[in-house]
Amino acid sequence: GAGVSQSPRYKVAKRGQDVALRCDPISGHVSLFWYQQALGQGPEFLTYFQNEAQLDKSGLPSDRFFAERPEGSVSTLKIQRTQQEDSAVYLCASSLGRLAGGTNEQYFGPGTRLTVT
Amino acid sequence: GENVEQHPSTLSVQEGDSAVIKCTYSDSASNYFPWYKQELGKRPQLIIDIRSNVGEKKDQRIAVTLNKTAKHFSLHITETQPEDSAVYFCAATIYMEYGNKLVFGAGTILRVKS
Repeated sequence: GAGVSQSPRYKVAKRGQDVALRCDPISGHVSLFWYQQALGQGPEFLTYFQNEAQLDKSGLPSDRFFAERPEGSVSTLKIQRTQQEDSAVYLCASSLGRLAGGTNEQYFGPGTRLTVT
Repeated sequence: GENVEQHPSTLSVQEGDSAVIKCTYSDSASNYFPWYKQELGKRPQLIIDIRSNVGEKKDQRIAVTLNKTAKHFSLHITETQPEDSAVYFCAATIYMEYGNKLVFGAGTILRVKS
């Protein structure tokens, strides 16, 4: 079966533009996470969904960042009025969850590399 | 909140030698510690994990040890091979039933010289 997919893989935005990054998790996975990975650093948590409910958004760096998962599958991370410091790789991960009969292993997507010029 | 520190930032070993990467964490409530391998331009992939109810776990050439008292855990790779070259990330979290908000270390670049 297909793994986690993300689109676009690369995005160049001019400062001030809005961007939308898409994540298609593994079918049936309950949990979905967004992470931001700056160059040479480990991924940093942004937000977490359990089905369609956004249970934790403590990692979103500002109110310019918004994430949704309206039907409990595909998720979109939106960044408004992009700034240069938003340049990073945005990783999405999903897990089935033990209560759903799986494990908590997070399967990562390939990421979207965002460059703000 | 949780903070994870990882050392060394780069590690070069000769093929066949062992490699050890160490991490410390700050939150004594953390009880799940996965390790991820990320090859250049690719997605992180889980290679091994450990829960805090065990002190050591092994999977072929890879092992992880955990010292809860000292709040540190280590990744051991034996008989290293060139394909082990990658960036390795440790992480810590409080294990939850549906998923874990991972706090990652900064990563270790491992180079295996043949």
